[in-house]
Amino acid sequence: DTGVSQNPRHKITKRGQNVTFRCDPISEHNRLYWYRQTLGQGPEFLTYFQNEAQLEKSRLLSDRFSAERPKGSFSTLEIQRTEQGDSAMYLCASSSGTHYEQYFGPGTRLTVT
Amino acid sequence: GQSLEQPSEVTAVEGAIVQINCTYQTSGFYGLSWYQQHDGGAPTFLSYNGLDGLEETGRFSSFLSRSDSYGYLLLQELQMKDSASYFCAVKDQAGTALIFGKGTTLSVSS
Repeated sequence: DTGVSQNPRHKITKRGQNVTFRCDPISEHNRLYWYRQTLGQGPEFLTYFQNEAQLEKSRLLSDRFSAERPKGSFSTLEIQRTEQGDSAMYLCASSSGTHYEQYFGPGTRLTVT
Repeated sequence: GQSLEQPSEVTAVEGAIVQINCTYQTSGFYGLSWYQQHDGGAPTFLSYNGLDGLEETGRFSSFLSRSDSYGYLLLQELQMKDSASYFCAVKDQAGTALIFGKGTTLSVSS
């Protein structure tokens, strides 16, 4: 069990560019979550997948954000036309059986200049 | 909606006991979780209370009172490595995603 992995770990982009992040959950976990965390705040929920189905999306997830989980394995989060307000740590988590015990990856830190 | 309140900072010395409180307001309640996050690290699950009472895991214990919409995390025999942020969390109205508090920064000094 190698844990949840995320790539890249850091991303610097210019405003208006598109970025894509990848998350590889723990292999036997069918539930996958994306969160966003800014300095001094707790993680904020973005979206949730059970297997390949995206079952829940937060109101924080604007039209510029899209997430996929093809074949119920890894997941990608794409942000189009990035804005400075998108600068944050993007965390992926996975779980099996319960929603309250989630295993988080190390995150992708996005800086929009 | 769901909201949680916890103190922003707590300081203590090595070997001491510290309690981090959390009050919540929820539409539907599915239990209270606690996570630890070291600076620059990922949140790590510590404990969960689905029912009233105390849950103990080593040096850490967590308590829940559903009638008071209140819980706490108790850390005993504090060590320097316990310096971190601690978040309480509840499930959202759909019972899936976690809604986190703003976190309590614990600083342990020698």
